[in-house]
Amino acid sequence: ELKVEQNPLFLSMQEGKNYTIYCNYSTTSDRLYWYRQDPGKSLESLFVLLSNGAVKQEGRLMASLDTKARLSTLHITAAVHDLSATYFCAVDIGSGRDDKIIFGKGTRLHILP
Amino acid sequence: EAQVTQNPRYLITVTGKKLTVTCSQNMNHEYMSWYRQDPGLGLRQIYYSMNVEVTDKGDVPEGYKVSRKEKRNFPLILESPSPNQTSLYFCASSALHISGIGSYGYTFGSGTRLTVV
Repeated sequence: ELKVEQNPLFLSMQEGKNYTIYCNYSTTSDRLYWYRQDPGKSLESLFVLLSNGAVKQEGRLMASLDTKARLSTLHITAAVHDLSATYFCAVDIGSGRDDKIIFGKGTRLHILP
Repeated sequence: EAQVTQNPRYLITVTGKKLTVTCSQNMNHEYMSWYRQDPGLGLRQIYYSMNVEVTDKGDVPEGYKVSRKEKRNFPLILESPSPNQTSLYFCASSALHISGIGSYGYTFGSGTRLTVV
């Protein structure tokens, strides 16, 4: 059974600090996604990582994918309050008829001013 | 505007009363899926559809039905809702790359908060 585990599940941090959210998964995949969800809102796509070694950056967020280690990271640089949200990683498994995306449980990020 | 539209946004119903949550996308996406989101459990897939008339069970299909008669629509049907189906539901769609969803990821609807009493 595929497992997608995020670590930590909850993170409270000060503005200006750096931190990393980890996403481990238990089966072979080279396609991984990061989403952001604000309270009471839908999920917004942040990054699509499609190959080993892929790195993408948007503002203070940077995501990377290591398919050999089955690990993706979401790094936050100099956090600001606006980044407070829940972040989900999701792994794409299968292809053709059985394609599906499995989500982690989410990391709730709370950035203190 | 490219979007996935769910209706209703909020719904309170009683146990056993059949209901349908509608989902429509205007991006000509082949792939559509329903998820439920519960505290501490993340998003769990209920059903998905790779194209018209092709549907498959996800991880938590019990108590739900879906249909895909048209490419743009993917309704979620609860024939006899129960309180354990109280949840936040999301519809999502994606174009299909040659090797699957891969290159695109999902576009999500705004969500439907369902309460079954």
